[in-house]
Amino acid sequence: SQQGEEDPQALSIQEGENATMNCSYKTSINNLQWYRQNSGRGLVHLILIRSNEREKHSGRLRVTLDTSKKSSSLLITASRAADTASYFCATDDIQTGANNLFFGTGTRLTVIP
Amino acid sequence: NAGVMQNPRHLVRRRGQEARLRCSPMKGHSHVYWYRQLPEEGLKFMVYLQKENIIDESGMPKERFSAEFPKEGPSILRIQQVVRGDSAAYFCASSPTGPATNEKLFFGSGTQLSVL
Repeated sequence: SQQGEEDPQALSIQEGENATMNCSYKTSINNLQWYRQNSGRGLVHLILIRSNEREKHSGRLRVTLDTSKKSSSLLITASRAADTASYFCATDDIQTGANNLFFGTGTRLTVIP
Repeated sequence: NAGVMQNPRHLVRRRGQEARLRCSPMKGHSHVYWYRQLPEEGLKFMVYLQKENIIDESGMPKERFSAEFPKEGPSILRIQQVVRGDSAAYFCASSPTGPATNEKLFFGSGTQLSVL
């Protein structure tokens, strides 16, 4: 399966703490994306990192990518209760050239006020 | 600029009935993707369409499922003779250009299909 896997499956932290989520994938990729999903809603794009990039920042988000280990991490600093959501990584697949993104199983983040 | 619009938000069908899910992409977007999500799982790709063309339907079951994106009007995901296993959230996403690999997708709020 080309689907990625997030780790941990669930994470609970106090407001103000940092949250780190990891994603592992199996294929060669052009880029990796992180999405957020609030309960019962669609996914919202957070950040895209290309295969030739190692780190990218966007506000309180920091994403790293290690193509040799086929892994990525998403760090949310100074978390807020509003960050409570599920977070998914998504990748393409160079070998198949598939016209779609493969999503991981997600990390459910709970930020306790 | 309205986002991706899906309707209905909730759809209840009895086994054997037909389900029609609609998706209007963002204005200016001509690429539409359908995904299915089971509880506590990630999204599974079903089909990728451009106006009047199915580009990739590799994730869609060969039987009972069909999709279209006509020149005028929304994209339609159609499930005939629904079974309980079809119960899931169905999400539509759009992008201005394809393929999805090089840009972000804009998602709708999904249609929750429940088969009784």
